[in-house]
Amino acid sequence: EAGVAQSPRYKIIEKRQSVAFWCNPISGHATLYWYQQILGQGPKLLIQFQNNGVVDDSQLPKDRFSAERLKGVDSTLKIQPAKLEDSAVYLCASSQNPGHTEAFFGQGTRLTVV
Amino acid sequence: AQSVSQHNHHVILSEAASLELGCNYSYGGTVNLFWYVQYPGQHLQLLLKYFSGDPLVKGIKGFEAEFIKSKFSFNLRKPSVQWSDTAEYFCAVNAGTGGFKTIFGAGTRLFVKA
Repeated sequence: EAGVAQSPRYKIIEKRQSVAFWCNPISGHATLYWYQQILGQGPKLLIQFQNNGVVDDSQLPKDRFSAERLKGVDSTLKIQPAKLEDSAVYLCASSQNPGHTEAFFGQGTRLTVV
Repeated sequence: AQSVSQHNHHVILSEAASLELGCNYSYGGTVNLFWYVQYPGQHLQLLLKYFSGDPLVKGIKGFEAEFIKSKFSFNLRKPSVQWSDTAEYFCAVNAGTGGFKTIFGAGTRLFVKA
């Protein structure tokens, strides 16, 4: 079974630039998550999709972050404009459903904002 | 709001020592509990999970965890650690009334000396 695919693996940008991350979940997984993991901290949920609808985006900084999941499969997360404090690893995960099943994680995208 | 706290940020053990990592959560309702592990250079993966039934759950690689509802705890244990257990361990919880969003603790970095 193919895992969760993310790209790019690494990205370095200057502050105020924009950046986009892509995620392809495991086939058939209805739930998709984006997490932000700052060095030394646990993953923080940014947004959760169920198919192509948003279940929770309460911790997404909506003035600069946006995410979409067109057709309920792939997803993109965008930051515009980036700030220094956005430097983190951005993790995508998927699960069959949001409750009793485990989430499968991708390798993450390490973003450095300089 | 749900929260998860892990008591130790860094643990150093010698091989064959016993391990117990503490995890407490704050949520009064029914919860699903997880321990995830991240080996160096790899993605997060599930170690074990608890949904219902026997509060002592066994996971991969000899790990187990005990759910104590009265203490809101889900501590991870292993009787004898190996050098290959060097990794970061994350406790996580989700709850139905929270939309099943999975909240992670800050993680415990375990280093096992050979």
